[in-house]
Amino acid sequence: DAKTTQPPSMDCAEGRAANLPCNHSTISGNEYVYWYRQIHSQGPQYIIHGLKNNETNEMASLIITEDRKSSTLILPHATLRDTAVYYCIVRVANTGNQFYFGTGTSLTVIP
Amino acid sequence: GAVVSQHPSWVICKSGTSVKIECRSLDFQATTMFWYRQFPKQSLMLMATSNEGSKATYEQGVEKDKFLINHASLTLSTLTVTSAHPEDSSFYICSARDRTVLSYEQYFGPGTRLTVT
Repeated sequence: DAKTTQPPSMDCAEGRAANLPCNHSTISGNEYVYWYRQIHSQGPQYIIHGLKNNETNEMASLIITEDRKSSTLILPHATLRDTAVYYCIVRVANTGNQFYFGTGTSLTVIP
Repeated sequence: GAVVSQHPSWVICKSGTSVKIECRSLDFQATTMFWYRQFPKQSLMLMATSNEGSKATYEQGVEKDKFLINHASLTLSTLTVTSAHPEDSSFYICSARDRTVLSYEQYFGPGTRLTVT
């Protein structure tokens, strides 16, 4: 599975959009981009995933560049409850299913 | 739906004893479950892949005789930390994949905090 690079920490004002970047320059054509988040002392929570098209759900939007070497997770209106560590993971779907977590981005939403 | 539970949520044990952690898929069947370990301020580290009815596959560097994994049914996997030592103190998290759905995400449990004194 391709390696990902994320900034270690970010701040965001409450109510504003939080844009979390992820670089995955070695991603393969059959690898998906997944985003999970982990609130302190809890298990990770699935947010969204995508292959090459932009995706949106009730939690967030995922923007993947055309060359697929990077992506951005967007939380449109950040709340204090969005303070968490966000992990970007790339993985081939349905092959072994293991997730290898990187260091993630610690997002702090500021009142 | 897709809830994974862990028991206990926290446990304190004495050095040299063994402790068992359970991971259950409550509303789906999981042929595959995964065990992770997380030290303070660090990321999750995959320990092993647990397959129902077969031996677990351990990641490099994880001692299979120390971390015994049993996946005896489609809804239960257990992790036993044998002869625990203080350095085994960590947050242990399991996850599971629904066998009936072409699902791309894993469902994670809430974690078990182990403290070895």
